[in-house]
Amino acid sequence: DQQVKQNSPSLSVQEGRISILNCDYTNSMFDYFLWYKKYPAEGPTFLISISSIKDKNEDGRFTVFLNKSAKHLSLHIVPSQPGDSAVYFCAAASGGSYIPTFGRGTSLIVHP
Amino acid sequence: EAQVTQNPRYLITVTGKKLTVTCSQNMNHEYMSWYRQDPGLGLRQIYYSMNVEVTDKGDVPEGYKVSRKEKRNFPLILESPSPNQTSLYFCASSLRRGGDEQFFGPGTRLTVL
Repeated sequence: DQQVKQNSPSLSVQEGRISILNCDYTNSMFDYFLWYKKYPAEGPTFLISISSIKDKNEDGRFTVFLNKSAKHLSLHIVPSQPGDSAVYFCAAASGGSYIPTFGRGTSLIVHP
Repeated sequence: EAQVTQNPRYLITVTGKKLTVTCSQNMNHEYMSWYRQDPGLGLRQIYYSMNVEVTDKGDVPEGYKVSRKEKRNFPLILESPSPNQTSLYFCASSLRRGGDEQFFGPGTRLTVL
């Protein structure tokens, strides 16, 4: 049973527009949420995170929103650039755990 | 440069032939993990280590072994590989557990014939 779900396997967006990647979770013990970005033939790299005491965290063009009541988080990329084309993984963990749980990823394609 | 290295990057082997994938990090991180990535399944954790000589199973440990004799190294051992272990493997390290940022290696693509 998936505890972290990324229901959209792929997303296509025009350059300059907003990309919104969604992630849902079921485990109410999760209190840290992270987004990783992965290019082909490379390992995932950390993008942005948020703890459950916040509902928004921003880093440049990237903003993560957390809705704890809905057990939902989203990553907004504004404006989207062709270099943002990658697979994005959502991950969740509880502070005391050793095992973050990853979603299955969303492949983002940003068209010039 | 802070990094996680893995070797080999690509490996084709046959069923039953023991192999080791090495992983090394230069950031003095305590926590290290191994993941496999399969199409449609995302990243699944195989084993993790909290420190030297301290390891534990992740979500999919069957068919794998690990060891942590030194803080920087965390090799993944397949004693008798099978075709269902054909996958893309990633090693990762982090300073703290749980929600801390993980640094991933470049990946090892393994094919077991």
